[in-house]
Amino acid sequence: GAVVSQHPSWVICKSGTSVKIECRSLDFQATTMFWYRQFPKQSLMLMATSNEGSKATYEQGVEKDKFLINHASLTLSTLTVTSAHPEDSSFYICSAGTSGQGETQYFGPGTRLLVL
Amino acid sequence: SQQGEEDPQALSIQEGENATMNCSYKTSINNLQWYRQNSGRGLVHLILIRSNEREKHSGRLRVTLDTSKKSSSLLITASRAADTASYFCATKKGRGVGANNLFFGTGTRLTVIP
Repeated sequence: GAVVSQHPSWVICKSGTSVKIECRSLDFQATTMFWYRQFPKQSLMLMATSNEGSKATYEQGVEKDKFLINHASLTLSTLTVTSAHPEDSSFYICSAGTSGQGETQYFGPGTRLLVL
Repeated sequence: SQQGEEDPQALSIQEGENATMNCSYKTSINNLQWYRQNSGRGLVHLILIRSNEREKHSGRLRVTLDTSKKSSSLLITASRAADTASYFCATKKGRGVGANNLFFGTGTRLTVIP
């Protein structure tokens, strides 16, 4: 149980295009989903938190107009990198959690984005 | 930044030896968790220790938590080549803004030599 999937697993795009990454909780309902970014050989940095049906909460320094997050249902959240540039190339990881303070977050396998 | 720090950054040991990784954090926490990440992959949750706990065991894993020093350690006993991965600690505040957010440490890259 508690499986989270991401699609696509990797994507290469041209500079200026937009890329959408999907995060799905396959066997549970996720009240909260989290998006992280990880640069090579670095740690995960929280980008934003989204609750189903409400606007995402972005961490300081993360542009909400550049990284659009939609959490339309209890099993799906999407991250759209708009007008991607080479510096947006990174490993994007989502996680999903249920309500409650002590719960574990379940992580997706990640999406590697390369912007040329 | 709420990001924690881990040391060592990299650790290389022989199979069968024990591996110890340390994590320090900055803010008050509700719990601290350890995760494992194989190269280029997602994270696997290993163990969670709450702020009122001092030690926890799970199989070959032993985690300690010292809230007065804001530090934790992860011990992997009798290491195996398959334990080769990056290990991250992550803290959760548990209250206030961002109560359920996880903030990750810088990670330790463990290599277990067969």
